Amino acid sequence: GDSVTQMEGPVTLSEEAFLTINCTYTATGYPSLFWYVQYPGEGLQLLLKATKADDKGSNKGFEATYRKETTSFHLEKGSVQVSDSAVYFCALTLLPGGYNKLIFGAGTRLAVHP
Amino acid sequence: GAVVSQHPSWVICKSGTSVKIECRSLDFQATTMFWYRQFPKQSLMLMATSNEGSKATYEQGVEKDKFLINHASLTLSTLTVTSAHPEDSSFYICSATDEGRPYEQYFGPGTRLTVT
Repeated sequence: GDSVTQMEGPVTLSEEAFLTINCTYTATGYPSLFWYVQYPGEGLQLLLKATKADDKGSNKGFEATYRKETTSFHLEKGSVQVSDSAVYFCALTLLPGGYNKLIFGAGTRLAVHP
Repeated sequence: GAVVSQHPSWVICKSGTSVKIECRSLDFQATTMFWYRQFPKQSLMLMATSNEGSKATYEQGVEKDKFLINHASLTLSTLTVTSAHPEDSSFYICSATDEGRPYEQYFGPGTRLTVT
């Protein structure tokens, strides 16, 4: 079935370090891919998305490129800040053809220290 | 834009009682709403999908008689946990999609339920 696999956390980095959180997917159709972020005590917020192969989503210094050949959507940021500490979820949805059901990865907790 | 609210944000109830959680889309019409459950330090598990005016579609393993979902209008969905037990304690999150942008789900801030 359709699924999302994320690297296990927690990921602990020093401020200004480079961040990569790996995400790979399995899908029978042509998914749209998302990264969501959940700050402590809050709900999920959409961080970025890509709806077709080779699209690059970007927001707040984070980037991810939809790689169909490797079925990946790795999240990167060149210089993390303490305020980036959160849980990051990779997700996919399949449209058209199915209803808008999001399939989430397990989440990766990021802790950034000063 | 695309704001989803939940009420209450935090609720404690006694075992055996029922509790209702509301999910509202504040500035758009939500053709579809979703209810998720999130256990501590874990991912979101989709419980059910509801479309306005029709019965909810429950995911496998979710008890429809225990988790009653009503989507009475294009801006409001409710989740009622009936005869709650301590194992129902969790973080419940709703999300909604706008018909014009079906790829995106807008999430509410969540409701933390504690059953004592």
